[in-house]
Amino acid sequence: TQLLEQSPQFLSIQEGENLTVYCNSSSVFSSLQWYRQEPGEGPVLLVTVVTGGEVKKLKRLTFQFGDARKDSSLHITAAQPGDTGLYLCAGADSWGKLQFGAGTQVVVTP
Amino acid sequence: EAGVTQSPTHLIKTRGQQATLRCSPISGHTSVYWYQQALGLGLQFLLWYDEGEERNRGNFPPRFSGRQFPNYSSELNVNALELEDSALYLCASSLIRVTGHSPLHFGNGTRLTVT
Repeated sequence: TQLLEQSPQFLSIQEGENLTVYCNSSSVFSSLQWYRQEPGEGPVLLVTVVTGGEVKKLKRLTFQFGDARKDSSLHITAAQPGDTGLYLCAGADSWGKLQFGAGTQVVVTP
Repeated sequence: EAGVTQSPTHLIKTRGQQATLRCSPISGHTSVYWYQQALGLGLQFLLWYDEGEERNRGNFPPRFSGRQFPNYSSELNVNALELEDSALYLCASSLIRVTGHSPLHFGNGTRLTVT
């Protein structure tokens, strides 16, 4: 069973600060997806990283896939209140089943 | 394009009863996934349907079952409800079998409360 561990579980920061969320596994994934979930809604895909060592940027969000494709990180620069939400990483196994981490709850206060 | 729709949005049942949750995928999507999101536990994979067939299921007891209809909509049935079944049940659809490259499109979920 592939297990994805996310850290920290909870992060509360002030507007303008930077933050990093981590996603780690003992297993290798062919790719990893990051989702954000806001209260009362389903998760929404932010990015998919495929290649070991890959870095993708989405405005103030930077996603990195580890060289060994076992871990990933999400870095937010100059966080804004609109970044508040539950950040989830997910990896697909060869059967097409997407395994999710438990998520990191991010709260950005003005 | 309409997104994934789930009904009902909220469902209150008593222990021992049965619950039926419904999901309509995005038009053209043939794969439907069900996840349970309990507080603090993240998303736990329940079931995956594709082209009307159950393709995979997670580590849940047999009282969790479902089906996919010819129009690709899906139902999740939970029999003999227990208090710990209280959770948000999320349905997602994708165009093809998830390979890690195709995204899941989620509905807003059904909040099931068992009293």
